[in-house]
Amino acid sequence: GENVEQHPSTLSVQEGDSAVIKCTYSDSASNYFPWYKQELGKRPQLIIDIRSNVGEKKDQRIAVTLNKTAKHFSLHITETQPEDSAVYFCAASLNTGGFKTIFGAGTRLFVKA
Amino acid sequence: EPEVTQTPSHQVTQMGQEVILRCVPISNHLYFYWYRQILGQKVEFLVSFYNNEISEKSEIFDDQFSVERPDGSNFTLKIRSTKLEDSAMYFCASLTSGFLAKNIQYFGAGTRLSVL
Repeated sequence: GENVEQHPSTLSVQEGDSAVIKCTYSDSASNYFPWYKQELGKRPQLIIDIRSNVGEKKDQRIAVTLNKTAKHFSLHITETQPEDSAVYFCAASLNTGGFKTIFGAGTRLFVKA
Repeated sequence: EPEVTQTPSHQVTQMGQEVILRCVPISNHLYFYWYRQILGQKVEFLVSFYNNEISEKSEIFDDQFSVERPDGSNFTLKIRSTKLEDSAMYFCASLTSGFLAKNIQYFGAGTRLSVL
């Protein structure tokens, strides 16, 4: 089955710096890659997603890139702010069957003011 | 904006007891899911449900677990005989349709299950 690896597990940056979180997936059939932000005690919230027919997508300070050949995808947050502090999960999903989503282990991002 | 709702927000139970976690998916959604998240760990897939049957389940979803859509709005997860290691946050999610290739899942706020 699908396996998603995520690095780093913890990331600390200064306010205004960029943060990059990287993920790899194992199943080449995965074709949808969402990123979720989870604040303490809250539900995962979708912040950006990318589909396998696209290499890059940007939404304001957040961008995601996908390398299908290498089975890598990354989240880039620019001009980080303290409210970006949270746990970020990458995930991979197949567009078949039940569309289950397999999550990475999460990255705890700390943005220091 | 429509939301997935889950009840209760916190459930405390004794080991060996049965619990039922309830979810009301978004009304026009067709696919339903349960995930669990042990404290401080990642979100783990349990089961997906479509057209009144399980479409896929993980190795975590053993015979102690069952899901049901008893009516047109509710989607439930039952744990027959809870164990200490079942303590976790359980998230319900729903998805509108696969035919448009828009497999965005919307998550509920979760039910925190504490097994004592």
